[in-house]
Amino acid sequence: RKEVEQDPGPFNVPEGATVAFNCTYSNSASQSFFWYRQDCRKEPKLLMSVYSSGNEDGRFTAQLNRASQYISLLIRDSKLSDSATYLCVVNLNTGGFKTIFGAGTRLFVKA
Amino acid sequence: NAGVTQTPKFQVLKTGQSMTLQCAQDMNHNSMYWYRQDPGMGLRLIYYSASEGTTDKGEVPNGYNVSRLNKREFSLRLESAAPSQTSVYFCASRPLGGQGRTDTQYFGPGTRLTVL
Repeated sequence: RKEVEQDPGPFNVPEGATVAFNCTYSNSASQSFFWYRQDCRKEPKLLMSVYSSGNEDGRFTAQLNRASQYISLLIRDSKLSDSATYLCVVNLNTGGFKTIFGAGTRLFVKA
Repeated sequence: NAGVTQTPKFQVLKTGQSMTLQCAQDMNHNSMYWYRQDPGMGLRLIYYSASEGTTDKGEVPNGYNVSRLNKREFSLRLESAAPSQTSVYFCASRPLGGQGRTDTQYFGPGTRLTVL
């Protein structure tokens, strides 16, 4: 079983739609959580941190459920420019400062 | 700040040739990482350096060596390139020990390597 699992997609949605990405993690040493965005042939870029209380940044809302070991990302009012791969990322509280990257969920937003 | 920079951006090698990929960061981060990403695949950790003076193997270290030259620079060397090493190589850095909500990895633009 992978330590961080995401739905591989792809998700194909029309502009203006709301789309949700889910992620589960299995390592109990998981300490901090993030969503990254990766455009085609570009480097991954930090989208937002994920807090237990939930957090929002404009059209993006992230949630963390530590009891269920589950992370989510909600995108409201999708734009064409949101088309990308979204990576779920977990930092472990272990020696070596390990970071686990999910394989990513591909999103296509169409006009 | 330039963030994380990588050179070269593109490289074509013949099987058996050697080369060094350069990475530098100007954010005073403690940890640095090298990943490879094959088409349609996720990131795979090659080597990392938790702090200046230390390096450790990741999940796919075979065929690579690294040098943490100083706090800013972390290089990746391919001693004898093979076609299986054709990939995009990303370098990343992480503050470590900083504020938890920003203590994550920041990536360079990548080096696209083709081995013929």
